Amino acid sequence: KNEVEQSPQNLTAQEGEFITINCSYSVGISALHWLQQHPGGGIVSLFMLSSGKKKHGRLIATINIQEKHSSLHITASHPRDSAVYICAVRFGNKLVFGAGTILRVKS
Amino acid sequence: GAVVSQHPSRVICKSGTSVKIECRSLDFQATTMFWYRQFPKKSLMLMATSNEGSKATYEQGVEKDKFLINHASLTLSTLTVTSAHPEDSSFYICSARVLGSAEAFFGQGTRLTVV
Repeated sequence: KNEVEQSPQNLTAQEGEFITINCSYSVGISALHWLQQHPGGGIVSLFMLSSGKKKHGRLIATINIQEKHSSLHITASHPRDSAVYICAVRFGNKLVFGAGTILRVKS
Repeated sequence: GAVVSQHPSRVICKSGTSVKIECRSLDFQATTMFWYRQFPKKSLMLMATSNEGSKATYEQGVEKDKFLINHASLTLSTLTVTSAHPEDSSFYICSARVLGSAEAFFGQGTRLTVV
């Protein structure tokens, strides 16, 4: 069974803190996505990774294919980063989603 | 990045009526579109995969006669919830892929409430 596990489920941080969200999966994949979902529901694709590391602004995503693990880091967190962050892995033609991490950044 | 427009963003309908949700790729041709459903505080669940010009592939447990999917062009897929019931109330979201790319682009989602 293709499973995707995220941790933590909930995360509250103070503005400015460095944040890490983790994602583990059970079988080999072709790509991993990090997504951001705001309270209104719309989803924004942050990163797509198949190896190594990517950086965009204050966001960094890494993936270790051998360990079947990825992390999303947010540096200098801000209240506007508050959202649900979802890890999704691609198995063939389909995406399998993690349960999401609810992040709240307090000012 | 590429833009996927989903409409409407919110809809309230009466039990027994049908509701159509549109998903458009605005600046690229989407050979494949995916329809997901999300229950409160839950992850997205794939309902069906829609390929342009052919029948949609439904996931196990999804009623194809209830959730009609049409992908008539490379830029438009529609999901019609037929004879809606209150238990169909949910958040529906589409995503689109370009042929040969693993990149996924998501619509804004549609919150359906059946009363």
